[in-house]
Amino acid sequence: GAVVSQHPSRVICKSGTSVKIECRSLDFQATTMFWYRQFPKKSLMLMATSNEGSKATYEQGVEKDKFLINHASLTLSTLTVTSAHPEDSSFYICSARDPQRGLGGYTFGSGTRLTVV
Amino acid sequence: ELKVEQNPLFLSMQEGKNYTIYCNYSTTSDRLYWYRQDPGKSLESLFVLLSNGAVKQEGRLMASLDTKARLSTLHITAAVHDLSATYFCAVDIWGGTASKLTFGTGTRLQVTL
Repeated sequence: GAVVSQHPSRVICKSGTSVKIECRSLDFQATTMFWYRQFPKKSLMLMATSNEGSKATYEQGVEKDKFLINHASLTLSTLTVTSAHPEDSSFYICSARDPQRGLGGYTFGSGTRLTVV
Repeated sequence: ELKVEQNPLFLSMQEGKNYTIYCNYSTTSDRLYWYRQDPGKSLESLFVLLSNGAVKQEGRLMASLDTKARLSTLHITAAVHDLSATYFCAVDIWGGTASKLTFGTGTRLQVTL
């Protein structure tokens, strides 16, 4: 089945530094990937839709300059949290839909736990 | 703005009991998904419901979709401890450039021995 690999699974960084999270579709090509953020005991909030070869579409209230998304190939999307601060600490999850599966569902990465100290 | 609400938000139930989780959404959609999330983990796909009246079952879980009522249910039969997790429904709608998911508030299920 469709597999989405997300790395790293955990990262701790100092305040003011930038962190890059990778999301790869391993056995299919994903023209569209999605980035979510989840706070403890809360639901998933869509941050942005990543489109291969074009600019990402950000949800209302998400800072584009803070959360840089690049989707340079059909199998890789990256989320860079720039100048991270403690309030950016969260669980970030990516997902993609295999177009071969039609409406058969989305596949999620394993998530990245970001802690900014 | 699409709203997806689940109830209850928290459910504590004894092993062997039955219960239903409800997912209500505020706009037209005929594509709804159910996911399970264990603590510290990502999402595991449970069910994909793609039409009005769709019903799917896997083990002790059964999901249904009523698009006219904008309601989906996840029914748990004879709960076991292993079902303890957080369950999310998610509605798939067209966002202008792509379909995207809006998640429900989540239901944290605790099955006690």
